[in-house]
Amino acid sequence: GIQVEQSPPDLILQEGANSTLRCNFSDSVNNLQWFHQNPWGQLINLFYIPSGTKQNGRLSATTVATERYSLLYISSSQTTDSGVYFCAVDRGSTLGRLYFGRGTQLTVWP
Amino acid sequence: NAGVTQTPKFRVLKTGQSMTLLCAQDMNHEYMYWYRQDPGMGLRLIHYSVGEGTTAKGEVPDGYNVSRLKKQNFLLGLESAAPSQTSVYFCASSYEGVLGSYNSPLHFGNGTRLTVT
Repeated sequence: GIQVEQSPPDLILQEGANSTLRCNFSDSVNNLQWFHQNPWGQLINLFYIPSGTKQNGRLSATTVATERYSLLYISSSQTTDSGVYFCAVDRGSTLGRLYFGRGTQLTVWP
Repeated sequence: NAGVTQTPKFRVLKTGQSMTLLCAQDMNHEYMYWYRQDPGMGLRLIHYSVGEGTTAKGEVPDGYNVSRLKKQNFLLGLESAAPSQTSVYFCASSYEGVLGSYNSPLHFGNGTRLTVT
């Protein structure tokens, strides 16, 4: 399978700060998604971004497929941003085989 | 529109007991998946289905069976539960896409917390 490494594993911020989360992957992919797992365990899809840049409010993501990494930017963080952020990839050769990283645990303090 | 619904939310089993987890989606998605989440491990794919009547193994299929008799339902069975199957189980679904591409966002259920004693 594809190896997915996320960094940092843990991140603690004060409300209002900006942050960048990184996802490195070991093979070429044509499917990359970012997810947020809130403190109640719910998993929400943030971005489907196999390449390029997308923005959604205070969140944006960039994937440089040729260099095998993706970045998730959180600006003006809020306490509701707390939770675990997962990156998941698939090379597309086998349907449905998304490989998840171990996540970045983000804690935002008021 | 409920999205992806998992039942039950919690369950405690004794070693050797069996059970079935039910996943239902109302988005007419072709693809459905079962993942397990363990501390520090991220999510790992157990089994998946690309359409009604089809199933396939994922990364960690041993000890589990699945069935997709109806498009909207995906069942995960544990025939003889073991403590190593204590985990949080997530079901997900995705739409095939206009051009038949499987590259579409995953939608997750809220999870089932299973403890095997």
